[in-house]
Amino acid sequence: LAKTTQPISMDSYEGQEVNITCSHNNIATNDYITWYQQFPSQGPRFIIQGYKTKVTNEVASLFIPADRKSSTLSLPRVSLSDTAVYYCLSSGTYKYIFGTGTRLKVLA
Amino acid sequence: GAVVSQHPSWVICKSGTSVKIECRSLDFQATTMFWYRQFPKQSLMLMATSNEGSKATYEQGVEKDKFLINHASLTLSTLTVTSAHPEDSSFYICSASRTGQSGNTIYFGEGSWLTVV
Repeated sequence: LAKTTQPISMDSYEGQEVNITCSHNNIATNDYITWYQQFPSQGPRFIIQGYKTKVTNEVASLFIPADRKSSTLSLPRVSLSDTAVYYCLSSGTYKYIFGTGTRLKVLA
Repeated sequence: GAVVSQHPSWVICKSGTSVKIECRSLDFQATTMFWYRQFPKQSLMLMATSNEGSKATYEQGVEKDKFLINHASLTLSTLTVTSAHPEDSSFYICSASRTGQSGNTIYFGEGSWLTVV
């Protein structure tokens, strides 16, 4: 069962690029890596998903090295509204277990 | 994008009564849905995996007779908290698995706040 490890919290300033790294040493061959954003009293919101190398969408980039034992979510030019908890998920065939998540605080 | 909807968003019930929370995938079919529980400032805790047409698979420590899960169709799963007690008060979140070109992706509902008084 894949387990993920992330920093508990991070602070950043508006306009900066934020990189959050997640370790998933036990990732299985078929697992994808997915990142979610969660605001208080809301369900997690899908940000990005990838299998290897680099994936980019309109809100973030995801970097996955060749060994796939870690991944980095990159948020360009964060704003105050990006203050939230970010979770990485190593998703297997049927079970999805969340780690602690990273509490990102964006400061003015 | 994939939309998952939960209802109700919040509910208050009396101790000893039962309450049902619905989870619907609005624009895709989901053979597998998941139910999570979340306490303030903590991560999501997986309670059970709901499989369409079969019994749910519960995580260790989750009472299956207390948290009844039914997944009767490809777009609807329900969680019923039976004989609710104040310690069952929590934020419950469902998710649905969608299979696409990038593998399986789970999408979450908005969550449901349950307060037992």
